[in-house]
Amino acid sequence: KAGVTQTPRYLIKTRGQQVTLSCSPISGHRSVSWYQQTPGQGLQFLFEYFSETQRNKGNFPGRFSGRQFSNSRSEMNVSTLELGDSALYLCASSTDLRTQYFGPGTRLLVL
Amino acid sequence: AQKITQTQPGMFVQEKEAVTLDCTYDTSDQSYGLFWYKQPSSGEMIFLIYQGSYDEQNATEGRYSLNFQKARKSANLVISASQLGDSAMYFCAMREGTGTASKLTFGTGTRLQVTL
Repeated sequence: KAGVTQTPRYLIKTRGQQVTLSCSPISGHRSVSWYQQTPGQGLQFLFEYFSETQRNKGNFPGRFSGRQFSNSRSEMNVSTLELGDSALYLCASSTDLRTQYFGPGTRLLVL
Repeated sequence: AQKITQTQPGMFVQEKEAVTLDCTYDTSDQSYGLFWYKQPSSGEMIFLIYQGSYDEQNATEGRYSLNFQKARKSANLVISASQLGDSAMYFCAMREGTGTASKLTFGTGTRLQVTL
């Protein structure tokens, strides 16, 4: 089976812009989660989608949003980018409580 | 209180030796799961091993084993016969409860360097 894929892999934006990141889970996985990784805050949970519904949400401002499509692919959107949004954004898919497979991540740099 | 604590920011181990990476956790849930991931410099989080709170046996996956001591709330990762390719960041993570299947809380990580 193909692994979790994320596009794009690298992105450079300027403050105030918005960005959309995409994640395709492993075939058959209906749960998709998003995490932000920064040197200062480490790995932090953003949100989880299951069957097109947001099931969990982390402690991030409303500028961070996401959605999931009927084929389980997920997108996350960050509006009005700030310098502090520069991070590695990781997507993970799972099919049960014992699994959580991550994609290669999208490195976002906000200038 | 930190939910996941990794007290070793960095570790060195010689090739072919075994190494233990420490992880302690804090939860009041009876049902939880513990994960270990490897993150090379490329950034991808590679799943290594999983231990459920009700699993009776310590988890093993190839050269990786998890030393699960429930009463002490520790879930240490043991890597046997270290290889140069094991050099990476290692993260311990916890999933609490059963309703929030995919929300993981991560520790701060341990950077492992394997030397010749």
